[in-house]
Amino acid sequence: QVRLAQSGAEVKKPGASVKLSCTASGYKFTTFGLSWLRQAPGQGLEWIGWLSTFNDNTKFAPKFQGRLTMTSETSTSTVYMELRSLTSDDTAIYYCARGQHGYFADAFDIWGQGTMITVSS
Amino acid sequence: DIQMTQSPSSLSASVGGRVTITCQASQNIKNYLNWYQQKPGKAPKLLIYDASHLETGVPSRFSGAGSGTDFTFTISRLQPEDVATYFCQQYDTAPLTFGRGTRVDVK
Repeated sequence: QVRLAQSGAEVKKPGASVKLSCTASGYKFTTFGLSWLRQAPGQGLEWIGWLSTFNDNTKFAPKFQGRLTMTSETSTSTVYMELRSLTSDDTAIYYCARGQHGYFADAFDIWGQGTMITVSS
Repeated sequence: DIQMTQSPSSLSASVGGRVTITCQASQNIKNYLNWYQQKPGKAPKLLIYDASHLETGVPSRFSGAGSGTDFTFTISRLQPEDVATYFCQQYDTAPLTFGRGTRVDVK
């Protein structure tokens, strides 16, 4: 079945970087772009950015520009997100999610299970 | 950024009762509005896309309406398994933004 499997939880120190992975299965990887979103404890959802798995184009939320990188590896159907210069405000569950029609501006019809990132000294 | 004002923040209704949630966008987003359900410890689940289209496999007691700036989400006959938080999301303009959520409980 269609599935997104994310990497495991991590604990990072302030100022560090984190690189998360999201591996797709059950569909043609290059047909649908993937977004990353996050949810701070007890809070709502925040869109971080999107990567086209077809041509590696990206679209990021302005607040993350400059410390965010998204890449993909078609051979393993995996998308990566690296966030740098972490602060305690980055503590959240991070989700990858598939765009329903493959675009960045889209509904998210398939979600990964989430990865908890804790930033603490 | 487009602000999505969702209300109420929480509500409680009887099993079989009707639940209505509203979402107001800070500018015209046409029908580029989606609704999600999130249960504790789980990822969100898409219920309604393009304001009023039911996602495949979602029960017909869920519905959505609206366009422009004002949208509604309705559960026609609340079931115990509908206890969750519901979010609206706009995708008219980047950055994509969400409402703050509505927690739905059963009385």
